[in-house]
Amino acid sequence: GIQVEQSPPDLILQEGANSTLRCNFSDSVNNLQWFHQNPWGQLINLFYIPSGTKQNGRLSATTVATERYSLLYISSSQTTDSGVYFCAAPSAQKLVFGQGTRLTINP
Amino acid sequence: DSGVTQTPKHLITATGQRVTLRCSPRSGDLSVYWYQQSLDQGLQFLIQYYNGEERAKGNILERFSAQQFPDLHSELNLSSLELGDSALYFCASSASSFTDTQYFGPGTRLTVL
Repeated sequence: GIQVEQSPPDLILQEGANSTLRCNFSDSVNNLQWFHQNPWGQLINLFYIPSGTKQNGRLSATTVATERYSLLYISSSQTTDSGVYFCAAPSAQKLVFGQGTRLTINP
Repeated sequence: DSGVTQTPKHLITATGQRVTLRCSPRSGDLSVYWYQQSLDQGLQFLIQYYNGEERAKGNILERFSAQQFPDLHSELNLSSLELGDSALYFCASSASSFTDTQYFGPGTRLTVL
């Protein structure tokens, strides 16, 4: 099955900084999702992005399917952006998650 | 709010016991998925139901079972519980296929003592 790898595993930034999170996948995909798990454990959908670029406020995502990676950009970080960010890709009738990037935004 | 509901939010029980977790999908979604999130294993797919029928199975133990009812809500039954079953259990739903956007419920945190 597909392997999904995320980097970096941990990221600590000051409020206002920008960040880029990366997701590599081992096989071609026709769907890729980004999620944010907040400190209370809730998984929140951020993007459904099989290819191209999407933007939602301070967040944007780009997937380059031919090169098997996706990037999540967070600009002007706020403390509420803290948590774990997961990417996930479908494979063999299931969604396969990466191990996540833990983002900590300090005030 | 994703539109997916799960009950209970927290569950504390003892080893050897049996519990039932409940999930109601988003309105109009036919597929329901169950995932387990533990500290050492990350987010693992357990099982998928589509319109009442089992469609796909992942890393689900034989002690665990699930079903989807005619009103499309789903239940995950965990029996002969062990300490290692302590985890966050998520339900997700999608319109149809596993390649559709999946929306996650708030999760049930299970603690086995």
